Amino acid sequence: DAKTTQPPSMDCAEGRAANLPCNHSTISGNEYVYWYRQIHSQGPQYIIHGLKNNETNEMASLIITEDRKSSTLILPHATLRDTAVYYCIVRVRGWYGQNFVFGPGTRLSVLP
Amino acid sequence: DVKVTQSSRYLVKRTGEKVFLECVQDMDHENMFWYRQDPGLGLRLIYFSYDVKMKEKGDIPEGYSVSREKKERFSLILESTSTNQTSMYLCASSFQAGAYEQFFGPGTRLTVL
Repeated sequence: DAKTTQPPSMDCAEGRAANLPCNHSTISGNEYVYWYRQIHSQGPQYIIHGLKNNETNEMASLIITEDRKSSTLILPHATLRDTAVYYCIVRVRGWYGQNFVFGPGTRLSVLP
Repeated sequence: DVKVTQSSRYLVKRTGEKVFLECVQDMDHENMFWYRQDPGLGLRLIYFSYDVKMKEKGDIPEGYSVSREKKERFSLILESTSTNQTSMYLCASSFQAGAYEQFFGPGTRLTVL
């Protein structure tokens, strides 16, 4: 699976959009981009995933560049409860053993 | 509501003791996973299972074993604990091959003295 690079930490004002970048320059054509987050003292939580088109759900939007070498997770109106570590993961949607490689992630602090 | 539960939130053991960490999911998921999480290292996969009685090594299986006798239950076994196994242990499950969402339990913080 391709490696990802994320900034170790970011701040965002409450109510503003949080834009979390991820670089995955060695991504392969059949690898998806996934985002999870981990709120303190909880297990990771799935947010969104995509292959090459932009995706949106009730939690966030995912923007993937045309060359697929980077992506951005957007939380449109960040709240204090969005303070968490955010993980960007790229992997193939395999037929079994879907182990995810979680790196250090980005620690997002939403400030009042 | 989907649920993954782990037997303990906190455990303190002495070096050399045997430890069982149990994970139960109520979603009829085929795949189950054990990770450990350490500061600065993110989550690392220890073992996973894609069916009853089946198991596969992850990235860091040394010092661990697993058991899956029933579909809903996946146990992580530390035969003889060492201080470098002090960590947060996370269990996860997913529905089927190709599913994108893993459901995680709350974690067990194990301290080995």
